[in-house]
Amino acid sequence: GDSVTQMEGPVTLSEEAFLTINCTYTATGYPSLFWYVQYPGEGLQLLLKATKADDKGSNKGFEATYRKETTSFHLEKGSVQVSDSAVYFCALGADTGRRALTFGSGTRLQVQP
Amino acid sequence: DTGVSQDPRHKITKRGQNVTFRCDPISEHNRLYWYRQTLGQGPEFLTYFQNEAQLEKSRLLSDRFSAERPKGSFSTLEIQRTEQGDSAMYLCASSFMWGGEGTEAFFGQGTRLTVV
Repeated sequence: GDSVTQMEGPVTLSEEAFLTINCTYTATGYPSLFWYVQYPGEGLQLLLKATKADDKGSNKGFEATYRKETTSFHLEKGSVQVSDSAVYFCALGADTGRRALTFGSGTRLQVQP
Repeated sequence: DTGVSQDPRHKITKRGQNVTFRCDPISEHNRLYWYRQTLGQGPEFLTYFQNEAQLEKSRLLSDRFSAERPKGSFSTLEIQRTEQGDSAMYLCASSFMWGGEGTEAFFGQGTRLTVV
C-alpha cells in the first residue's frame, strides 16, 4: 500500500539557518504530494503541493520538488524564522478513488532566536 | 465560509461511554473525510463520504465506530463503548471533487478525545 517516510524530529535550528526535511514515498500510480503544517494549537494547513513529476511547489519561502526517480519530496527553506516552528507533515494523495491522504509521522521544527 | 468546523474541541469521557463528534465541512464541498491522529503520529484515514454516501471505511474503523452524513452536509462520528485506546485527535477534512479534478483537503481543528 501507499506509505510516506519522513525524517524524525525534532529538528532544532537557529534563525536564518537552512532547512531540509526529507520525505520519501511508496505509491502506485501517479499520486499528488503535499506538505501540511500544524502550528501549536491550530489545525493542519496545506503548505504546498505538487501534482506531477518535476513539479515544484512553493509557498511562504518553502519549496519542494516532486522527484519520481528518487520517490522524494523534500521540504526546503533558505532562511527559517522563529515563526516557522511547527510540525510538518508530508503526505500523498492517490490519483484515483477515495483520494484520502496518506501522511508521514511528522517532523517537529524548533527555531531558536 | 469559516472553513471546516468541529465540535466539541475537547471531550473527556469514562471508559464504556458513548461519544459523538460533529463536523461541518466547507459548504460547497462534496467530500468529507475522517482521520484519527495519535500523539507523535500523522493522521490516519478512517472513512470518507461523497455527498451522503459512505464510500469506504478503513480497517481502523471497528464495529464500535459509526459515521453518518445524512443530508450530504454535516457529518457525525460516534464511538460506542469507548476504550482507552480510542484516545486520540479526530480530524475532519473536506474537499470538492468533480470527475478527475478537485481541490485539496481542508482540515478542521479536530476533536481531542480522552478516555479515562
